[in-house]
Amino acid sequence: SAVISQKPSRDICQRGTSLTIQCQVDSQVTMMFWYRQQPGQSLTLIATANQGSEATYESGFVIDKFPISRPNLTFSTLTVSNMSPEDSSIYLCSAQYNEQFFGPGTRLTVL
Amino acid sequence: SQQGEEDPQALSIQEGENATMNCSYKTSINNLQWYRQNSGRGLVHLILIRSNEREKHSGRLRVTLDTSKKSSSLLITASRAADTASYFCAPETSGSRLTFGEGTQLTVNP
Repeated sequence: SAVISQKPSRDICQRGTSLTIQCQVDSQVTMMFWYRQQPGQSLTLIATANQGSEATYESGFVIDKFPISRPNLTFSTLTVSNMSPEDSSIYLCSAQYNEQFFGPGTRLTVL
Repeated sequence: SQQGEEDPQALSIQEGENATMNCSYKTSINNLQWYRQNSGRGLVHLILIRSNEREKHSGRLRVTLDTSKKSSSLLITASRAADTASYFCAPETSGSRLTFGEGTQLTVNP
């Protein structure tokens, strides 16, 4: 299995600010993804982080709100911009090998 | 719309009993993956079953897949208190995208 780490593990942020979450995998992988899990709910795919090109966003998610970088095959960042309390969630990155493995998540609370 | 839908939403059993969770989905899939999540933590990958497979085992886990019925089941045998968690199925469609249902909350009582 892959080792996937995320930073920060949790944060408490003020409304209107932005937070960048980092995701690091221990071996090169073509496909990485970002998911959101709102309190008490299931996971929703935000976007596919494409290496060398713009991310592919799912319906309901836009680049201005969730800009994503993928500078190489082992690293990606997700920024949650202009945050509101509704953005309070766990954000998870994943990497697609034979199976899809997930990072430990970043628990974000917006006040 | 969500692909994976688990049933039941909640399941409470005694230690040593078997737990069966079901999953239904709507469209064609490449494979289906099952995950476990302990209270607000990351997802642990349990098992992947490909669309051309009907059954797969891993330790105390047994997964079945019926593509004609668009359904899958996860059986945990001889359950333990440590199996208490939420279980999700995640059908994989094009582009390796996973869609998750609401999950089954399993409680195993000692």
